[in-house]
Amino acid sequence: AQTVTQSQPEMSVQEAETVTLSCTYDTSESDYYLFWYKQPPSRQMILVIRQEAYKQQNATENRFSVNFQKAAKSFSLKISDSQLGDAAMYFCAYRSLYGGSQGNLIFGKGTKLSVKP
Amino acid sequence: DADVTQTPRNRITKTGKRIMLECSQTKGHDRMYWYRQDPGLGLRLIYYSFDVKDINKGEISDGYSVSRQAQAKFSLSLESAIPNQTALYFCATSDWGLAGVADTQYFGPGTRLTVL
Repeated sequence: AQTVTQSQPEMSVQEAETVTLSCTYDTSESDYYLFWYKQPPSRQMILVIRQEAYKQQNATENRFSVNFQKAAKSFSLKISDSQLGDAAMYFCAYRSLYGGSQGNLIFGKGTKLSVKP
Repeated sequence: DADVTQTPRNRITKTGKRIMLECSQTKGHDRMYWYRQDPGLGLRLIYYSFDVKDINKGEISDGYSVSRQAQAKFSLSLESAIPNQTALYFCATSDWGLAGVADTQYFGPGTRLTVL
């Protein structure tokens, strides 16, 4: 079974600085998707970015980018020019492309990001 | 209007009561999911449905049941609520993407359930 590990329960960053959130996963599959979701205090789950495992190029969405290292099974999220509104819980998630459960998300336990003004 | 709605948004109930959480979506998606979020544990899958006639257990289905009344509606029931079912519950939907691969999941706003 696949697992997702976020080793940083809490992180802090100064406004306008850059922060990197770590995520590692375990799988025997070769094709899959990886996601970062953001959960602000409003508790809404918001998709930040997604990466297809077959793509070598790292995904980027405005100030958010990932460092996808397939061999190392690592999927970190970099937030550049951090803003107060980036303060939230961030969840890394894995999705299989195979089997009866394909499409189901497996989540890490989350990293709480604080942004200091 | 939100694409995925959940009712109620907050609920306090007592041990032993039957509770139903409802989810509706206007996205036209076939796939629907129920997750539970506990502090420090992330989100865990309770049940999922590929269409109205296809319902499957997730990682933590014990103590829960579901009903897919229509493509757009997926309800979660706690037949006899207990305090350790106190949690934040999310409904999500996704479509079938290219080549039959499930597409991105979209989440509802969540229901905070407290069982006393």
